[in-house]
Amino acid sequence: QQQVKQSPQSLIVQKGGISIINCAYENTAFDYFPWYQQFPGKGPALLIAIRPDVSEKKEGRFTISFNKSAKQFSLHIMDSQPGDSATYFCAAAQATGGFKTIFGAGTRLFVKA
Amino acid sequence: GAVVSQHPSWVICKSGTSVKIECRSLDFQATTMFWYRQFPKQSLMLMATSNEGSKATYEQGVEKDKFLINHASLTLSTLTVTSAHPEDSSFYICSARVSGFTYEQYFGPGTRLTVT
Repeated sequence: QQQVKQSPQSLIVQKGGISIINCAYENTAFDYFPWYQQFPGKGPALLIAIRPDVSEKKEGRFTISFNKSAKQFSLHIMDSQPGDSATYFCAAAQATGGFKTIFGAGTRLFVKA
Repeated sequence: GAVVSQHPSWVICKSGTSVKIECRSLDFQATTMFWYRQFPKQSLMLMATSNEGSKATYEQGVEKDKFLINHASLTLSTLTVTSAHPEDSSFYICSARVSGFTYEQYFGPGTRLTVT
């Protein structure tokens, strides 16, 4: 059972545009929602994360919007750059679950120059 | 920032042989390490949770006798793929969680395993 659903599967954005990736979760026990960026042949790297008591978090060009009642969260990449072209994973974890992290299916982002 | 290393980064082995992958947290202690498997263009699938000094906890569907995990110290966990078959070919990634009540974890660069 997929616990974290992510869309779209792929995304093409013009340089300078906004990239938006959406995720939904089922397990209300999740209490930590990170986003990871992965380049081909590399391990994922944490971009930004949010706890459910906050509706929005911004770090530089990256913003997470969180809707607890809808069990949805999204990543916005402002002023997208070709260097942002990578695969992005949303994820969810819970302390009572041993801090295990469950990943979404991933979104392959391509930013056109 | 915290660094997690994996060794080897790439390995080719023959069917029926075993291969060991090491995961090290270089500048922090990690009570818990996680092992993931990633097929091309797919997501990371959690295989097991490794806690220092205790037996690993495997996710449903993961053969614990095939994927042996040992977490010998607060900075080292190993994954041994026993009697490897071509279908075990994959990208294996570990992550190390900083000791304490924290979600803070760091991922290794991954190990590409090819079984011929």
